[in-house]
Amino acid sequence: KAGVTQTPRYLIKTRGQQVTLSCSPISGHRSVSWYQQTPGQGLQFLFEYFSETQRNKGNFPGRFSGRQFSNSRSEMNVSTLELGDSALYLCASSLAGSSGGGDTEAFFGQGTRLTVV
Amino acid sequence: AQKVTQAQTEISVVEKEDVTLDCVYETRDTTYYLFWYKQPPSGELVFLIRRNSFDEQNEISGRYSWNFQKSTSSFNFTITASQVVDSAVYFCALSEDSNYQLIWGAGTKLIIKP
Repeated sequence: KAGVTQTPRYLIKTRGQQVTLSCSPISGHRSVSWYQQTPGQGLQFLFEYFSETQRNKGNFPGRFSGRQFSNSRSEMNVSTLELGDSALYLCASSLAGSSGGGDTEAFFGQGTRLTVV
Repeated sequence: AQKVTQAQTEISVVEKEDVTLDCVYETRDTTYYLFWYKQPPSGELVFLIRRNSFDEQNEISGRYSWNFQKSTSSFNFTITASQVVDSAVYFCALSEDSNYQLIWGAGTKLIIKP
């Protein structure tokens, strides 16, 4: 069974640009949650999509957005990139809509490492 | 407010030693879930265990064991007879029933020297 696939693995962007990251969950999983990991702030929850609807949202500015398609694949978009957006972005796939937590096991991808210069 | 504290930033031991990673949490919910994840250098978070707040039984899985104590709000993780392959960053996380998103500790970097 294929795991969670995140593309691209590495990305370098310039300040002010926008970026789109992709996450393909495990087959049959309908929930995709996104997390940002930085050395300073650690792991922080961005948002969760379940059956194409955003179910939960963390405390990030509106520059961070996402969507989910009917095949459960999800994309995350960051507009007007800032240096502080440099991070490892991880997505988690789960059967139920639990934002990666709750009583449901979540499976994480290897992440996309975004560097903003 | 909910919070997870992993006071040990980095631990270094020699292979075959036992090592305990500490995790202390704060929550006002009576129903919550606690997790441990391992993050090897490849970056992905590997699920190790989930415990709900009503299940205080300790758990053992091979060389891994977990000690959940509600009285001290702790959920500690012990690796017995550590191996070099155990080297990674380990995260403890909390998820409340009122909002399932994971609240993460800062992580403990574990270095096992041969």
